[in-house]
Order: sequence, then C-alpha cells, then structure tokens
Amino acid sequence: DGGITQSPKYLFRKEGQNVTLSCEQNLNHDAMYWYRQDPGQGLRLIYYSQIVNDFQKGDIAEGYSVSREKKESFPLTVTSAQKNPTAFYLCASISRSYEQYFGPGTRLTVT
Amino acid sequence: QKEVEQNSGPLSVPEGAIASLNCTYSDRGSQSFFWYRQYSGKSPELIMSIYSNGDKEDGRFTAQLNKASQYVSLLIRDSQPSDSATYLCAADSSNTGKLIFGQGTTLQVKP
Repeated sequence: DGGITQSPKYLFRKEGQNVTLSCEQNLNHDAMYWYRQDPGQGLRLIYYSQIVNDFQKGDIAEGYSVSREKKESFPLTVTSAQKNPTAFYLCASISRSYEQYFGPGTRLTVT
Repeated sequence: QKEVEQNSGPLSVPEGAIASLNCTYSDRGSQSFFWYRQYSGKSPELIMSIYSNGDKEDGRFTAQLNKASQYVSLLIRDSQPSDSATYLCAADSSNTGKLIFGQGTTLQVKP
C-alpha cells in the first residue's frame, strides 16, 4: 500500500523539551511538506523540501527544524523555542501533477 | 500576499440537495487547483483537482474553474450526511510546488 505515515498519532511533552515528529512516504514523491493546523484554522506551511538534502522555510519556520537525508523521510523537530507548539501537525508529499497527499497527522500537546 | 479565500460557513443543506462551495484566488499565475475534504480530527483528503477552465465531474462531485474571474467552485450533488465536513480549496503558487490553502468551508448536510 502506497502512502504517507506519521508517528506518533498523539504526543505529549513538557514545555522546554524538543520533540521530533516522524514522516515517511513510499509514493516516490520528490517534494515533502510540513504544515501546522490550529483549531478552526487553515493550514500553515512550516518547511518544505523539494529534493534530498535541501529544504526551505515556509511561512512559520521559527522554532522548528527539519532534515531530508532520504527521499522517503522528512522528520520535523519542534524545539523549545517554538512559543505555541500545541497543534495538529500534518506531513504531505506532492505528485508530479501537483496533487498533494497528506499523512494522518500528529497531535502534539505541550504543557 | 497570495491568498485563497473561502466563506467559512457553516453552509447547511438538506439531504439530497446540491451543495455549492466557492473559492477565489489572488495569484493569476496559479495553474492547478484542488479541493480537499477534512473530517473533524482527521487529515485533509484530496477529492478533486482541476487544471483547465470549465467543469470536471467525478461521481457526485463537479469542480468548476474560471481563470478569468479567478474563481473555483465545487458542487456536490445528492448531498449525504456523510458529506458533512470542512472543504479546503487550494491553489498552487505559480507552479512552485507550494499550495496556498483557503481557511475552509464547513458543510452541514441535514437528514
């Protein structure tokens, strides 16, 4: 089955801790994306990567970091510098026809 | 600032009626347009993509694109309670691979 997996589904952390969210895809897509969604809000782009070993900041990159060492994987680290980290985090990859497909998401709660 | 605008709703229609969801976009360079359905607590699911002016039909869904008016719409025929969700409109940012999302329209289909 081709698709995008994200883990964990739910994550709870204490304030001041860094946390890494996993995203893996087996769709052979070149580009991958991280979004954040807050309750009742739209999607906001955090980081994206169009090829391995290269990535660009999106609209709200502050307090986040990413790596892209393999085509299949695009992990997101939420650092302690992110002021309001509690949110629903969505990973996506894009086909050659620009159709973007999403993983199931990780719901992060920081207290 | 490139934008995609949607009426947040809620749009309420009776079961069996046609639901009409609308979206406007500001980037004249956008070439690809998408509709996503997002159930509460879940990730967005791609339901329609459209690239050229006119209508595109897929089952009960019809997407309509008018590039001159910078307008995209989604019609859902024979609406069912299971269609109740938030519908996100997205446009590509001048073929950069980035999508710009609207805030979403909440659709309620009443039995």
